[in-house]
Amino acid sequence: EVQLVESGGDLLQPGGSLRLSCAASGFTFSNYWMHWVRQAPGKGLVWVSSITNDGSGTNYADFVKGRFTISRDNAKNTLYLQMNSLRAEDTAVYYCVRDLDPSSSSGYWGQGTLVTVSS
Amino acid sequence: AIQMTQSPSSLSASVGDRVTITCRASQDIRYDLGWYQQKPGKVPKLLIYATSGLQSGVPSRFSGSGSGTDFTLTISSLQPEDFATYYCLQDYNYPPTFGQGTKLEIK
Repeated sequence: EVQLVESGGDLLQPGGSLRLSCAASGFTFSNYWMHWVRQAPGKGLVWVSSITNDGSGTNYADFVKGRFTISRDNAKNTLYLQMNSLRAEDTAVYYCVRDLDPSSSSGYWGQGTLVTVSS
Repeated sequence: AIQMTQSPSSLSASVGDRVTITCRASQDIRYDLGWYQQKPGKVPKLLIYATSGLQSGVPSRFSGSGSGTDFTLTISSLQPEDFATYYCLQDYNYPPTFGQGTKLEIK
């Protein structure tokens, strides 16, 4: 059974840092691009970042570029999102997603982890 | 970035109704479009991939169509469990972009 389990969400102050993790199981992790998508309270879905299956390539939304870093450890079947210089507007549920390609039927989402940035 | 515009933003309908939600891309995305359903407090669920492919386990009352810039999601006969928010998604060009969502409510 495919599983994506996010962890690391927390309440922290503006300017703080946090690392999210996403533990994958039930599939060959190293075969898939992975993504982070977020959803602010009461708002829509927004793509944050992507990483290629071997970790050699990354992409970021403009609003996190230079502050967030996506990475993966294929030996540990784990995806990460290092979040620095956090702002109130980064408050959201962060979802780990396997294969966000809308032309593919193999997409799978984790349950999400809540990050709250507030003073 | 390609903008995805859904219409309507909200919709009231009754059980048994036929409902159509539209998603318009700001440029040609061929067939590279998917549709998600999200219920409150739940994870988005993929309904349709590649414009018209029905994801495994999704009821056949859901269907998708379109190409280029104009796409539709149709629910042929609304069921109580279909009241949710629906999002379209493209990644023909990076960054991937979602529509703003269509909230389907009970009339």
